[in-house]
Amino acid sequence: SQTIHQWPATLVQPVGSPLSLECTVEGTSNPNLYWYRQAAGRGLQLLFYSVGIGQISSEVPQNLSASRPQDRQFILSSKKLLLSDSGFYLCAWSYGGGETQYFGPGTRLLVL
Amino acid sequence: GEDVEQSLFLSVREGDSSVINCTYTDSSSTYLYWYKQEPGAGLQLLTYIFSNMDMKQDQRLTVLLNKKDKHLSLRIADTQTGDSAIYFCAEIMNYGGSQGNLIFGKGTKLSVKP
Repeated sequence: SQTIHQWPATLVQPVGSPLSLECTVEGTSNPNLYWYRQAAGRGLQLLFYSVGIGQISSEVPQNLSASRPQDRQFILSSKKLLLSDSGFYLCAWSYGGGETQYFGPGTRLLVL
Repeated sequence: GEDVEQSLFLSVREGDSSVINCTYTDSSSTYLYWYKQEPGAGLQLLTYIFSNMDMKQDQRLTVLLNKKDKHLSLRIADTQTGDSAIYFCAEIMNYGGSQGNLIFGKGTKLSVKP
């Protein structure tokens, strides 16, 4: 069966510090991978998606970047965090057809 | 525009039925989804319905789809305290190729009173 992991579960970082959040998927190959942010007010915003290694599409301009160094690894990064980057970051995967998405447990980021 | 609308709150008593409603925008959406988010957790896929169906039942869950009105509902029978969570409706927007983007509503917070 397929599983999706996110690391770390919780992170507190000062403004201006770098960020690296990791997402890994097991039990499938060549998945589509997604990063979402859920800010206060509960809405989910798609940040990035990837259909293959090294292929990243950005949905909104922002202070963050994403990379996919391996087939089942998706990384969300920032060089300098802003207060507005605080939120709950969710990674998801889907089969290559792109329909149903399955979510990871999330990383809660607090920027102070 | 791309907007999925849901009411923000719903409160029911344990044992009653809960009905969570959603309206979506894209009549060409192929799949519509319901996700559940418990406090501090990720999103759990509850169920989904293909756009050529009117109804789907899965144990205590019933999904109704009215394509004409672009209205989707989730009915939870015999609601339990463990059903307390935020429920998200989502539609998939297909832009061609292998990628379909999910558009989420803001979620309905279901509170179940004992």
